[in-house]
Amino acid sequence: EAGVTQFPSHSVIEKGQTVTLRCDPISGHDNLYWYRRVMGKEIKFLLHFVKESKQDESGMPNNRFLAERTGGTYSTLKVQPAELEDSGVYFCASSQVSGGAGEQYFGPGTRLTVT
Amino acid sequence: AQSVAQPEDQVNVAEGNPLTVKCTYSVSGNPYLFWYVQYPNRGLQFLLKYITGDNLVKGSYGFEAEFNKSQTSFHLKKPSALVSDSALYFCAVRGSGGSYIPTFGRGTSLIVHP
Repeated sequence: EAGVTQFPSHSVIEKGQTVTLRCDPISGHDNLYWYRRVMGKEIKFLLHFVKESKQDESGMPNNRFLAERTGGTYSTLKVQPAELEDSGVYFCASSQVSGGAGEQYFGPGTRLTVT
Repeated sequence: AQSVAQPEDQVNVAEGNPLTVKCTYSVSGNPYLFWYVQYPNRGLQFLLKYITGDNLVKGSYGFEAEFNKSQTSFHLKKPSALVSDSALYFCAVRGSGGSYIPTFGRGTSLIVHP
């Protein structure tokens, strides 16, 4: 079974540019999550999809971030325009259930550097 | 609100020695506790979790963790460290009755010296 995959693995962009990150969850997992880790800090929750619907987007920093999950399969996270403070590692995770005590399965992350 | 503290940014241990990576938490209700590990250039991998029952939880790669309710701690342990255990370790918590989104700690870098 393939795990969670993310693309690209690294992205270096200039301030003001646009970047789109992609996440492919484990097949059959309705729940998809985006997280971000700024260097040396906690892994912070951004948002949660159940199939194609946004269940919780309370962690999205501002309206420069747009997440989509059309068709309930893969998801994209667009940052437009990027700012310096957006630099960090963006993780995607998926799970079969959102409640209970099930663990989430994480992808390798996308390291975003905004210069 | 739920929170996790990993008081050590880095833990150094010699190969063959026991290791402990510390984690304390705060949560409403009963806690669900998790440990994840991130190897270089890899994603977070699930190691183990505590839901209920025995306070000593055994997980992958010979790791175990001890849940201590009175001290609100969930320290990760291994009796004999390997160089290949060197990685970044994250503790996470969520409450059984609250938000299903886990709160993560800052991570602890474990370095095992040959």
